[in-house]
Amino acid sequence: NAGVTQTPKFQVLKTGQSMTLQCAQDMNHNSMYWYRQDPGMGLRLIYYSASEGTTDKGEVPNGYNVSRLNKREFSLRLESAAPSQTSVYFCATKLTGTKGYTFGSGTRLTVV
Amino acid sequence: AQTVTQSQPEMSVQEAETVTLSCTYDTSESNYYLFWYKQPPSRQMILVIRQEAYKQQNATENRFSVNFQKAAKSFSLKISDSQLGDTAMYFCAFMETNTDKLIFGTGTRLQVFP
Repeated sequence: NAGVTQTPKFQVLKTGQSMTLQCAQDMNHNSMYWYRQDPGMGLRLIYYSASEGTTDKGEVPNGYNVSRLNKREFSLRLESAAPSQTSVYFCATKLTGTKGYTFGSGTRLTVV
Repeated sequence: AQTVTQSQPEMSVQEAETVTLSCTYDTSESNYYLFWYKQPPSRQMILVIRQEAYKQQNATENRFSVNFQKAAKSFSLKISDSQLGDTAMYFCAFMETNTDKLIFGTGTRLQVFP
């Protein structure tokens, strides 16, 4: 039982390159989330998806796009990476009821 | 908008001692949920404890307990009998009931010394 799986775990990009961070869950949860974590700033919500086929902006959506093609997968795309997007990215799903979230292991992204 | 404030960027405690991490929040909602997450050096986010705002009783999970003061909008975490494995970043979080979004504080880095 893997829970929430994120790929890749590490990535280095050059400024202007694009990439997609993948997230998949095997818990049949409806809601999925993408956060970024920066030193001194905690975790900030980028985008979320309350159900398959729906997505909404969070606190810091600029420079990102997302896709929720099915219930299992929620991907985050950087079309033209910038050094300001250097961060650790977490995908999460909401546990049943109000029990909080379960998180993936994160992706450390460096943009040079 | 709801906000979560953790005013202690770093704290340290000696093994076997007790430490309290502070968290305050701002909301106009009457019913909500509060969480503490632990992030060890492995980077994994681990749920430590959860509190429902409509429950007056403070939540406890083994060595971890909270002091929930709803009127003061305060939600502190007490770790008793600190262990080396408690060394981690700790995040306080607030869940909006209408969107289920989790809003995080900036975190407190806790170092447990032998």
